Amino acid sequence: DTAVSQTPKYLVTQMGNDKSIKCEQNLGHDTMYWYKQDSKKFLKIMFSYNNKELIINETVPNRFSPKSPDKAHLNLHINSLELGDSAVYFCASSQVSGRGAFFGQGTRLTVV
Amino acid sequence: GENVEQHPSTLSVQEGDSAVIKCTYSDSASNYFPWYKQELGKGPQLIIDIRSNVGEKKDQRIAVTLNKTAKHFSLHITETQPEDSAVYFCAASIDNYQLIWGAGTKLIIKP
Repeated sequence: DTAVSQTPKYLVTQMGNDKSIKCEQNLGHDTMYWYKQDSKKFLKIMFSYNNKELIINETVPNRFSPKSPDKAHLNLHINSLELGDSAVYFCASSQVSGRGAFFGQGTRLTVV
Repeated sequence: GENVEQHPSTLSVQEGDSAVIKCTYSDSASNYFPWYKQELGKGPQLIIDIRSNVGEKKDQRIAVTLNKTAKHFSLHITETQPEDSAVYFCAASIDNYQLIWGAGTKLIIKP
């Protein structure tokens, strides 16, 4: 039974399109995150939510909008996709913010 | 703000030998230090962590040491096996705030 699941695993889309990535965790954690991993494997936090409330919003374009309908879900919507958005996006969760996080399998986004 | 540096970026060791990856941090208030392993095509997985009130922690073949005075911590893997090949990340955080990540180390185990 997957702890942190995100869909889709692969996403290929054209520039200018709008797409969403969904994430769900069944661990009962209070905090969820979105990370971006570039081609050099560097992990960069994008957003952090605690009990559905945004607590960290790093410098990302406002084309990226997270939505948390409940504390088990944190979806990422991206408007007007650009080539530079191509990366692997990871969802993660932890019981306490800043402590050991469980990661999903990642969504490889390719913008063409 | 906190900054975490990780070395080396790539480490190649013979199967059976030990591997050591080192990280330094800048903020002496950091009090939580996890290590993650990322296998190809997968998300990072927490393998071991340590808090600032502890100097060393072991779990079978892996261990983490922390030197608060020098502000560095290290991951030690003994008796390396092919399945240890992966990218390893260190991180640091202060009082439940966000994790600050190192840049990663690609560990290659040579047969």
